[in-house]
Amino acid sequence: SQTIHQWPATLVQPVGSPLSLECTVEGTSNPNLYWYRQAAGRGLQLLFYSVGIGQISSEVPQNLSASRPQDRQFILSSKKLLLSDSGFYLCAWRRFGDSYEQYFGPGTRLTVT
Amino acid sequence: GNSVTQMEGPVTLSEEAFLTINCTYTATGYPSLFWYVQYPGEGLQLLLKATKADDKGSNKGFEATYRKETTSFHLEKGSVQVSDSAVYFCALTKTQGGSEKLVFGKGTKLTVNP
Repeated sequence: SQTIHQWPATLVQPVGSPLSLECTVEGTSNPNLYWYRQAAGRGLQLLFYSVGIGQISSEVPQNLSASRPQDRQFILSSKKLLLSDSGFYLCAWRRFGDSYEQYFGPGTRLTVT
Repeated sequence: GNSVTQMEGPVTLSEEAFLTINCTYTATGYPSLFWYVQYPGEGLQLLLKATKADDKGSNKGFEATYRKETTSFHLEKGSVQVSDSAVYFCALTKTQGGSEKLVFGKGTKLTVNP
């Protein structure tokens, strides 16, 4: 069976510090991978998606970047955090092929102080 | 482009009450439709899906029918439990740049009281 991991689970970082969030998927090959952000009391905002190693598409220009160094690894980064980067970050994967549902990880709660 | 509108709530019900959460969509083509549930502090879980008109998705007592004529995918449950308290998201597929993405509604918070 497939599982998706995210870490850390929670993070408190000062403004201006760097960020690295990691997501890994087990039990599948060549998945599509996604990063979402969920601000308090709001819906999901798609930040990045990737259809393969080194292939990243950005949905919203902002202070964040993403990388996919391995088939089942997706990393969200920032060089300098802003207060507005606070939120709940969710990674998701979709099976390669015709099935369109996405499966989400447990999320990382980021608080920028 | 493809979009989803769902009732924002919050919705508060007593245990064993009937639940309806409305979801309507606009789309080109024939998207797949989904309901996701998010319990406090957790990620989203796929609750049910429907891939073509008149399909009925069902899971854990929840149901939703893909209605193309009314562009709707309302979520229903005949008798809610306290454990159903969560935020529910309606979503549909969108093809862009050769990749399939999901477009989510803003979510509906459900609270079920004993």
